[in-house]
Amino acid sequence: DGGITQSPKYLFRKEGQNVTLSCEQNLNHDAMYWYRQDPGQGLRLIYYSQIVNDFQKGDIAEGYSVSREKKESFPLTVTSAQKNPTAFYLCATRGTPSNQPQHFGDGTRLSIL
Amino acid sequence: DAKTTQPTSMDCAEGRAANLPCNHSTISGNEYVYWYRQIHSQGPQYIIHGLKNNETNEMASLIITEDRKSSTLILPHATLRDTAVYYCIAHSGAGSYQLTFGKGTKLSVIP
Repeated sequence: DGGITQSPKYLFRKEGQNVTLSCEQNLNHDAMYWYRQDPGQGLRLIYYSQIVNDFQKGDIAEGYSVSREKKESFPLTVTSAQKNPTAFYLCATRGTPSNQPQHFGDGTRLSIL
Repeated sequence: DAKTTQPTSMDCAEGRAANLPCNHSTISGNEYVYWYRQIHSQGPQYIIHGLKNNETNEMASLIITEDRKSSTLILPHATLRDTAVYYCIAHSGAGSYQLTFGKGTKLSVIP
């Protein structure tokens, strides 16, 4: 969706390396989300943030970390503790009220070298 | 989120209306019905959502039955670019943050 920029589009990680995926939005939305999608599977929630300087773990937070220092930005770090990081990562945002739909970026595809 | 059930796949001739059904018989009163689609290697694209009334926007129409146990997404004039996986989601928004994407319906628009 327009207004949500994920970068890079493709990313390769070496063993033992941390990598950071960027998500920037200009929609002025308070809520931001990170999902992981594996081939042929649905989306699983990694982390979400409803407001600056606050974030919550989703269903599969282990091996990942996030920060929310600015409203526009919600970067995701895939740490070396995440043993199976190969996946398609999607960032989403949502405005108010809470019944508003989530809007998604175009994703980052992470692979292991 | 209430469980939703969709056909695995559907075909539609180009230029014809595509009618995609969704069953959500256990939907609760505060859950909206959302439709998204995902084209391969892209993020899900929001299409439309509704609570009780039928809704229409520039992309599609959403018809929700009076008992709210099922709905139909209508793409009035399908094009080849509408070929995608379509997801129907029942979600309240408040308190529950994760959107539950099931298997969806693979719509193939045939020339």
